[in-house]
Amino acid sequence: AQSVTQLGSHVSVSEGALVLLRCNYSSSVPPYLFWYVQYPNQGLQLLLKYTSAATLVKGINGFEAEFKKSETSFHLTKPSAHMRDAAEYFCAVRGRDSGYALNFGKGTSLLVTP
Amino acid sequence: GAGVSQSPSNKVTEKGKDVELRCDPISGHTALYWYRQSLGQGLEFLIYFQGNSAPDKSGLPSDRFSAERTGGSVSTLTIQRTQQEDSAVYLCASSLLAGGSGANVLTFGAGSRLTVL
Repeated sequence: AQSVTQLGSHVSVSEGALVLLRCNYSSSVPPYLFWYVQYPNQGLQLLLKYTSAATLVKGINGFEAEFKKSETSFHLTKPSAHMRDAAEYFCAVRGRDSGYALNFGKGTSLLVTP
Repeated sequence: GAGVSQSPSNKVTEKGKDVELRCDPISGHTALYWYRQSLGQGLEFLIYFQGNSAPDKSGLPSDRFSAERTGGSVSTLTIQRTQQEDSAVYLCASSLLAGGSGANVLTFGAGSRLTVL
C-alpha cells in the first residue's frame, strides 16, 4: 500500500520565517499526493494536491509544494509564516492503481512564535 | 448540504456500551469514507463506500466495528462493546469520484469525538 512519512511531528518557526514541512512517499509509480491542514477544533481542509500536471503546486493561503520524483518527496513550503498558520498539517497519498481512499501521514504540528 | 455533517460532535460512553456515529455527506457525492484520528497517530482509514459497490472494509480494526450507508447517502458507524482504546475522533469525508483524473478531493466533516470511560 502507498504510504507517506512526515519528518518531524512538531515544527516551530518565527513569524515571517520560512515554513518547511517534510513529506516523503513510498511508491514505485508517482502517486497522487495531497496536503491537508487542520486548525484547532476543526475538520481537515485541502491545501493543495499533486496530480502530475505540474511538479510545483500552489495551494491556498500562500502554501506550495514541489513534487520531486528523484527524492520521492512532496515537501510543503510557505515563504513567510503568519500566526494564523499554526495548525496540524497532514500529507496524504493515493496510489494510481489502488482504491480511492487516502493514506495519511501522522501529521506535523506547526507552531508560529511572535 | 453545504458540507459534511457529523453527529454527535461529542460522545461519552461507558466501556462495553454500543455507540453509533452518523455522517451526512455532501449532496451528490458518491464516495464516503470513515477515518479515525487518535492522538499522535494521524488518520487511520477505516472504511470506504462507493456508490452501490461493496464497501472497502480493509481498515476496520476489529469485528466490533461496522458501518452502513443507506440509500447512497447517510452513513452510520457502529462500535459495539466499546473499549477504552476506541477513544478517538472519528472523521467522515465524502468526495465525487474524479474518474480519469484520479485525484478525488475528500471533504471532511468536523468529526465525532468519542470518549470511552
